[in-house]
Amino acid sequence: SQQGEEDPQALSIQEGENATMNCSYKTSINNLQWYRQNSGRGLVHLILIRSNEREKHSGRLRVTLDTSKKSSSLLITASRAADTASYFCATDALGAQKLVFGQGTRLTINP
Amino acid sequence: NAGVMQNPRHLVRRRGQEARLRCSPMKGHSHVYWYRQLPEEGLKFMVYLQKENIIDESGMPKERFSAEFPKEGPSILRIQQVVRGDSAAYFCASSPMGWMDQYFGPGTRLLVL
Repeated sequence: SQQGEEDPQALSIQEGENATMNCSYKTSINNLQWYRQNSGRGLVHLILIRSNEREKHSGRLRVTLDTSKKSSSLLITASRAADTASYFCATDALGAQKLVFGQGTRLTINP
Repeated sequence: NAGVMQNPRHLVRRRGQEARLRCSPMKGHSHVYWYRQLPEEGLKFMVYLQKENIIDESGMPKERFSAEFPKEGPSILRIQQVVRGDSAAYFCASSPMGWMDQYFGPGTRLLVL
């Protein structure tokens, strides 16, 4: 079964607003990663957060991880039209040498 | 250093034909992963290979699908006797070390008529 589940499935906001996406997973993990996929393209790695970390920042991105709730959130601040894409979380379960992706959140930034 | 290359980018096959998808990893990367993505869904792991070895094929359908990563040349994902349900985007990722550090190719979009 799918390890990660993103919420919401789709999100539409105005340019300049903040966008928050959530990811929940089922089993204990080593790391959680967030990826972006523009329409019809491959995946671009955004950020990795380890299971012993609670928060991480990269530019306009802020990721949090709550291992007790088995959930993570991705916050994009001051959104831009170029942020329009699908965002996926991916986890690697303990002992598993592979990534398991969620269904993704389709983010639309309206100018 | 070129990124992960996949070809063809688009592939159209009729039911019953064979599809061959190629993935050239980044230079120095010896780990290759294949994923399948159906429309509006996330990526589903198919197979993990290192040079000349299949490490994990737990996501591969039992029949018609095979993958290889020879000592020389690209990794190949082969789908025999394609059916309409095989229509999807197939992504390859390569890594120098393992699953944590994967670089994705642009994908091959397979359409089965």
